[in-house]
Amino acid sequence: AQSVTQPDIHITVSEGASLELRCNYSYGATPYLFWYVQSPGQGLQLLLKYFSGDTLVQGIKGFEAEFKRSQSSFNLRKPSVHWSDAAEYFCAVGGPKLKTSYDKVIFGPGTSLSVIP
Amino acid sequence: KAGVTQTPRYLIKTRGQQVTLSCSPISGHRSVSWYQQTPGQGLQFLFEYFSETQRNKGNFPGRFSGRQFSNSRSEMNVSTLELGDSALYLCASSLQVGASGELFFGEGSRLTVL
Repeated sequence: AQSVTQPDIHITVSEGASLELRCNYSYGATPYLFWYVQSPGQGLQLLLKYFSGDTLVQGIKGFEAEFKRSQSSFNLRKPSVHWSDAAEYFCAVGGPKLKTSYDKVIFGPGTSLSVIP
Repeated sequence: KAGVTQTPRYLIKTRGQQVTLSCSPISGHRSVSWYQQTPGQGLQFLFEYFSETQRNKGNFPGRFSGRQFSNSRSEMNVSTLELGDSALYLCASSLQVGASGELFFGEGSRLTVL
């Protein structure tokens, strides 16, 4: 079965500093990978997605992520963090394979980001 | 284009009661998924409906049920509420069925069970 781990429960960075949030996945086929962000009291918003092709994908709000098949990773990065980036970030895995065990998007436990002004 | 709408946003119930939550997907989206979000368990998949049929179900007891109407609107029901059912219930719609597409989330329905 597929699974997603996010090793960092909470990260604190200073405004203007760079950011990297880690994500590792387990999936028995070619994965579809997603990063979502959740602000307090809100639903989840898609930041970026990887389906195939170029392993470096660009998303909204200046975020990017790199898919590394050999490491089963899909880490999220941002070169300069803004105070408004403080939120919960979720990595998720899905896929095109229409088998029951693969037929739902699975989310990681999330990483809470705090930004120091 | 209107986003995913969930109602009610907040509700308080007591143990043993039942609750019905509603979700209106983005126009044209036929897939609706439900997730339960709690601090301890994170986001857990409840079920997915597509064209009025339940396509997939997570590991929740039978007290959790859902349905989808011909206009793609979906409802989920929790009967015989327990304290542990207190959570944020998120609905997401998608153009694609299953795990192959982007999910568009509503703001959720926050259920408190006393």
